[in-house]
Amino acid sequence: GAVVSQHPSWVICKSGTSVKIECRSLDFQATTMFWYRQFPKQSLMLMATSNEGSKATYEQGVEKDKFLINHASLTLSTLTVTSAHPEDSSFYICSARYSLALETQYFGPGTRLLVL
Amino acid sequence: AQSVAQPEDQVNVAEGNPLTVKCTYSVSGNPYLFWYVQYPNRGLQFLLKYITGDNLVKGSYGFEAEFNKSQTSFHLKKPSALVSDSALYFCAVRDSGGYNKLIFGAGTRLAVHP
Repeated sequence: GAVVSQHPSWVICKSGTSVKIECRSLDFQATTMFWYRQFPKQSLMLMATSNEGSKATYEQGVEKDKFLINHASLTLSTLTVTSAHPEDSSFYICSARYSLALETQYFGPGTRLLVL
Repeated sequence: AQSVAQPEDQVNVAEGNPLTVKCTYSVSGNPYLFWYVQYPNRGLQFLLKYITGDNLVKGSYGFEAEFNKSQTSFHLKKPSALVSDSALYFCAVRDSGGYNKLIFGAGTRLAVHP
């Protein structure tokens, strides 16, 4: 149980284009999903917290207009990197949690983005 | 503010020997502590957590962690390391703010040598 998927697993795009990454909880309903960014050999940096049916809460320094997050259902959250630039190249990881009362976050396999 | 520290960038262990990956925390209130493991180019896998109860927590793949309140530590341990345990290990603490997000340590790379 508690499986989280991400799609695509990797993507290469041209500078200036937009890229959408999907995060799905496959066998549970996730009231909250989290989006992280990880640079090589570094820890995870939380970008935003996404709650179903409400606006995402972004961490300080993360541009909400650049990284659009939509949590349209209890099993799906999407991250759209708009007008991508090479510095947006990174490993993006999502996680999902059953509810506020249940603490454990379950992570997706990650999406590697390369912007040329 | 809540924080976790993983003082070792890398831990090297011979296969069959016990391993310890260190984590210390700083929180206000009761700590909610987690260990995750990350294999190359993969997301994080949940290993174990401490919320309350016994100080020794048993988790997946034979790992366990000992919560020590006086030393504010939550070290990850395994009695006998396997080469397949080689990976990146993250300690995390729950932030007491809204949405109970996790705050991760910098990570410790575990290398188990045959």
